[in-house]
Amino acid sequence: QITLKESGPTLVKPTQTLTLTCSFSGFSLSTGSVGVGWIRQPPGKALEWLGVIYWNNDKRYRPSLNSRLTVTRGTSNNQVVLTMTNMDPVDTATYYCVHTIGGTGGYIDYWGQGTLVTVSS
Amino acid sequence: SYELTQPPSVSVSPGQTARITCSGDALPKRFAYWYQQKSGQAPVLVIYEDTRRPSDIPERFSGSSSGTMATLTINGAQVEDEADYYCYSADSSAYYSVFGGGTKLTVL
Repeated sequence: QITLKESGPTLVKPTQTLTLTCSFSGFSLSTGSVGVGWIRQPPGKALEWLGVIYWNNDKRYRPSLNSRLTVTRGTSNNQVVLTMTNMDPVDTATYYCVHTIGGTGGYIDYWGQGTLVTVSS
Repeated sequence: SYELTQPPSVSVSPGQTARITCSGDALPKRFAYWYQQKSGQAPVLVIYEDTRRPSDIPERFSGSSSGTMATLTINGAQVEDEADYYCYSADSSAYYSVFGGGTKLTVL
């Protein structure tokens, strides 16, 4: 059974760096074609794909956020970390950690519950 | 950057057929996927690889794709199918993925 759970601050100030951790179970990020990604959804708005790290350490980012985003493996084998710099109130959103299958061009088959991050001074 | 375009809303009466479209220049080369999101919940995959349905999704959900347009069809839509629906795919080089803007389905 695959599960993912996001953890991190619920409130960050403008210009600060956001760090979110995804803790997962039921799969290995060393298995071929598997990835762990991040999706966000501002309140009342659409889903937005942010980035992903694949089993082979290949990383892809949303082009418009490429300079602000980093997705890395965590200190444990079952963790992935999202770092987003220079946070702004428009970055207020629910952030989801997801399991992807099929490599680049693949799809999301499992979602975490999401965590709401508010950017405000 | 690559975009997928969906109608903002679709409305049908219970038992009618609902069709939600998604257009994108790379869809002739890339699979389309569809997610259902009910209020306050995480999205759920309802169609993958254009036409395939996960085993736990009702048969009334189906998908198709032709040229630059993919379509999610709900035959005999039920009140419980009211939700936001998002298409999802990759750009032509499969470098990154995107969601469409979402379609709010109303069944009443």
